Amino acid sequence: DAKTTQPPSMDCAEGRAANLPCNHSTISGNEYVYWYRQIHSQGPQYIIHGLKNNETNEMASLIITEDRKSSTLILPHATLRDTAVYYCIVPNDYKLSFGAGTTVTVRA
Amino acid sequence: DSGVTQTPKHLITATGQRVTLRCSPRSGDLSVYWYQQSLDQGLQFLIQYYNGEERAKGNILERFSAQQFPDLHSELNLSSLELGDSALYFCASSATSGGPKSYEQYFGPGTRLTVT
Repeated sequence: DAKTTQPPSMDCAEGRAANLPCNHSTISGNEYVYWYRQIHSQGPQYIIHGLKNNETNEMASLIITEDRKSSTLILPHATLRDTAVYYCIVPNDYKLSFGAGTTVTVRA
Repeated sequence: DSGVTQTPKHLITATGQRVTLRCSPRSGDLSVYWYQQSLDQGLQFLIQYYNGEERAKGNILERFSAQQFPDLHSELNLSSLELGDSALYFCASSATSGGPKSYEQYFGPGTRLTVT
């Protein structure tokens, strides 16, 4: 898998947007970026994925830079229930490889 | 609720024993994946099945085996259990094998295995 780098932790105020960065400078032209999150000891949850265009769904937005070397996951209005570990993954070979992720704490 | 079910939710057993974990994928999904999450190793891919056939193997020990049945449910068998096998075991499913949709995986709630 293309290596991804994420900050280990970040805090966010409830109701504000949370912007989660991810670097994937070795990504190749046909590799997608996926985001998952895991709320404490629950199964990981798929959030969104993209190739080169910005993507939005009911959970989040994904902004991928033009050179595709980095991306940002945006949670538009963070709630306490968004407190979780967020994983940025560039997969191949049939599997998802979860790194350490970013621990996001949403504070009231 | 992801639509993926796993049983049992908790399992406590002794070293040397054998256990079977069960997973039912989301309706319509043909691929099933097994992952192990331990405190020191993080979330690790073990094995994938697609429509009954093994498709990919990760860091799965020889003491572990899996299969996917014609009704698409899957079982993960863990034998000669050691203390270090204590972990959360997750099953995930996806609609396809290979391609972007295969990485859109839906995870079950997990089985917590404790080996004493």
